[in-house]
Amino acid sequence: KNQVEQSPQSLIILEGKNCTLQCNYTVSPFSNLRWYKQDTGRGPVSLTIMTFSENTKSNGRYTATLDADTKQSSLHITASQLSDSASYICVVSAGYNTDKLIFGTGTRLQVFP
Amino acid sequence: DAGVIQSPRHEVTEMGQEVTLRCKPISGHDYLFWYRQTMMRGLELLIYFNNNVPIDDSGMPEDRFSAKMPNASFSTLKIQPSEPRDSAVYFCASSLSGAAGVNEKLFFGSGTQLSVL
Repeated sequence: KNQVEQSPQSLIILEGKNCTLQCNYTVSPFSNLRWYKQDTGRGPVSLTIMTFSENTKSNGRYTATLDADTKQSSLHITASQLSDSASYICVVSAGYNTDKLIFGTGTRLQVFP
Repeated sequence: DAGVIQSPRHEVTEMGQEVTLRCKPISGHDYLFWYRQTMMRGLELLIYFNNNVPIDDSGMPEDRFSAKMPNASFSTLKIQPSEPRDSAVYFCASSLSGAAGVNEKLFFGSGTQLSVL
């Protein structure tokens, strides 16, 4: 069964600190992996999209990594800010002939001053 | 562009009542998706349209759910009759040319928070 699992479920850090969120997937075939940021009361917004051939992709203070062999991805946030408080959702595209995406349940990040 | 617009933002109704959620996609986007989000299951695809035609409705949970897209700028998701287990946040999203390709990006609305009492 195609699944995307994220850890931890929730995380609390102090402003200025770094953190890393994890994503494991069992989706096959694999096309690409995305990380979305979802602020409270809003829809998800795309942060990064990576294919199997990409190991790292950055978007400002956000850096995503992908290991297609172990089917793992991580999202690293550097020098966290209060505005980083949100849910971060890992999403995997299940192949080339589908418009369906497999969503993880997200990691809820809270950044405190 | 104002982005994907959903209405209402919040809906509270009683069990058995009909609920209609509305969505206006980004102009020029050919694909429209309806998702449901719960704490336990995350985001789940209900149905999606390409050029106003339903392509895959296998995620629609029951016959109580129906969706239409009468034109390129409007879609509705209807639940009749509603039940407490339908309580969730319903998102509409649109894209230029699909959702799953590496160059395809989904744009989400702000969602409708539905509570069925």
